[in-house]
Amino acid sequence: DIVMTQSPLSLPVTPGEPASISCRSNQSLLHGNGNNYLDWYLQKPGQSPQLLIYLGSNRASGVPDRFSGSGSGTDFTLKISRVEAEDVGIYYCMQDLQIPPYTFGQGTKLEIK
Amino acid sequence: QVQLQQWGAGLLKPSETLSLTCAVSGGSFSGSYWSWIRQPPGKGLEWIGEINHSGSTNYNPSLKSRFTISLDTSKNQFYLKLTSVTAADTAIYYCARNGPGRTGFGPWGQGTLVTVSS
Repeated sequence: DIVMTQSPLSLPVTPGEPASISCRSNQSLLHGNGNNYLDWYLQKPGQSPQLLIYLGSNRASGVPDRFSGSGSGTDFTLKISRVEAEDVGIYYCMQDLQIPPYTFGQGTKLEIK
Repeated sequence: QVQLQQWGAGLLKPSETLSLTCAVSGGSFSGSYWSWIRQPPGKGLEWIGEINHSGSTNYNPSLKSRFTISLDTSKNQFYLKLTSVTAADTAIYYCARNGPGRTGFGPWGQGTLVTVSS
């Protein structure tokens, strides 16, 4: 199975400031078609996870443009340009290249300072 | 747009069978894979398995063969069954749609907390 490792695991951020989460895989997620099979999810408190980013850098429908995904191969980053109070929750990366199984990172808990 | 509504028994005794249903509305059942994912209390996400409209399934090899995913296309519903539950199966269980071309899981059901306790 592909192992996904996120850092940091806890991220306190001041509103209006940027935030960045790293996700690393132990195998490349770059397919021969040029796509990186890496997604980002946000699980707000008490809610189901929601898709933020797919194929490494594509924002899902309705996701604010302050969220962006980048990276290739084994190193990926989720950036929030200006954190808002509603961005609080746990962020997960997930690989969907070598399946089964789909595998998730441990999660990064973003909180407001 | 596609919506998923799930339900099932929330409290089970050890050795009983877990049965969950996920109903799909607002979109076609075909053309997608449909997944079950679980989350133990306070922990991360674990993918259980998936099924497509033809009934083709894939499972997480690490979870062995206790899980069964099935579907009823006439009802636009798919199901999760887990036999011989133990306390380790206590978790929130989610259903979700796999995006076409592996474009992520979305939308998700609201989740069902399943507690296994004697």
